[in-house]
Amino acid sequence: DQQVKQNSPSLSVQEGRISILNCDYTNSMFDYFLWYKKYPAEGPTFLISISSIKDKNEDGRFTVFLNKSAKHLSLHIVPSQPGDSAVYFCAATQAGTALIFGKGTTLSVSS
Amino acid sequence: KAGVTQTPRYLIKTRGQQVTLSCSPISGHRSVSWYQQTPGQGLQFLFEYFSETQRNKGNFPGRFSGRQFSNSRSEMNVSTLELGDSALYLCASSLPSGQPDEQYFGPGTRLTVT
Repeated sequence: DQQVKQNSPSLSVQEGRISILNCDYTNSMFDYFLWYKKYPAEGPTFLISISSIKDKNEDGRFTVFLNKSAKHLSLHIVPSQPGDSAVYFCAATQAGTALIFGKGTTLSVSS
Repeated sequence: KAGVTQTPRYLIKTRGQQVTLSCSPISGHRSVSWYQQTPGQGLQFLFEYFSETQRNKGNFPGRFSGRQFSNSRSEMNVSTLELGDSALYLCASSLPSGQPDEQYFGPGTRLTVT
């Protein structure tokens, strides 16, 4: 029973365009959501997060949107750059319990 | 400040053997979590240790165990290895009261079971 789902295993985008990565969750008790980026041979690195009391959080080129009624969050990267090519993981947690990760989406940004 | 280090980086073991992986957290971090990453399942939480005590545990069989030492270093042990245990094992450390986004990951140990 997967509580956090990333239904798109991969996404290809041209440099300068917008990348939209999606994530769905089933547990309405999750109160904090995070996005991690992972390059090959490296551990995941934290990218951006959002609390369940907000619907949007922005950090430079990265914006995360949360739609609680739909149990859906998305990560927007604008403009996309070749260096953004990596695996992106969505994660969720409830009251400080362990992070629950999705299976990841591989983003490829071509120049 | 040095990051999270994991040793060894790569390991090849035979089915039925046991293996021990090591994780040194960032200085001052007292919480260490372990995750298994496989292509089909993404990152799955194994367990978390804080002050030498297991604080959280994921849904893995008892063959997977861990411990934490007084200096916060942690080890993970897998006994009676199975082919399906082949994965990247990631360790992450954080401060005791750290927010979820203050968890820092190591580069992982790639375990191959033949």
